[in-house]
Amino acid sequence: DAKTTQPPSMDCAEGRAANLPCNHSTISGNEYVYWYRQIHSQGPQYIIHGLKNNETNEMASLIITEDRKSSTLILPHATLRDTAVYYCIGGAQKLVFGQGTRLTINP
Amino acid sequence: GAVVSQHPSRVICKSGTSVKIECRSLDFQATTMFWYRQFPKKSLMLMATSNEGSKATYEQGVEKDKFLINHASLTLSTLTVTSAHPEDSSFYICSAATSQETQYFGPGTRLLVL
Repeated sequence: DAKTTQPPSMDCAEGRAANLPCNHSTISGNEYVYWYRQIHSQGPQYIIHGLKNNETNEMASLIITEDRKSSTLILPHATLRDTAVYYCIGGAQKLVFGQGTRLTINP
Repeated sequence: GAVVSQHPSRVICKSGTSVKIECRSLDFQATTMFWYRQFPKKSLMLMATSNEGSKATYEQGVEKDKFLINHASLTLSTLTVTSAHPEDSSFYICSAATSQETQYFGPGTRLLVL
């Protein structure tokens, strides 16, 4: 499982795009980049994942660098409900959670 | 989307008793389910990987005789905390993997051992 590095905390204004970076320089060729978020006292919520190509769904966009050593999760129009801890995980079957980024959306 | 449920959502028990937590995938079949534990202000820690019809694989440091896992069907896995002690108090979370191996998590079970 790839070790990932994320900033411990970030702030973003409501309505603006939130860009969350993640470094995963040791990711191997068959490991996906997964993003989950956890709101206090709840189970993690799946957001998005990708292997090499950029991905977009109804929640977010995932931009993966060509060398796959880093990625950015983009929440296009952040709302107060997006306040959570965001986890970037590089893995295949098993997911190893790091400390994540605590994102706070401010009104 | 894929939905995973857990029961109970919270449980309080006396020291020395056993507690069973159920994890169900409601709208998909899951060959593999996972059990995690999370202490306050800490990240999730993988305890074990549960494969339907076979023995669970436990992570290093997790006692298999204390945390019994059964995965009898493609939609149900159970975790039994045997002879629970106060230090077992934690937030227990399961996940179920789809055929594409994306994991979806349950809402968690908060265990308090008195």
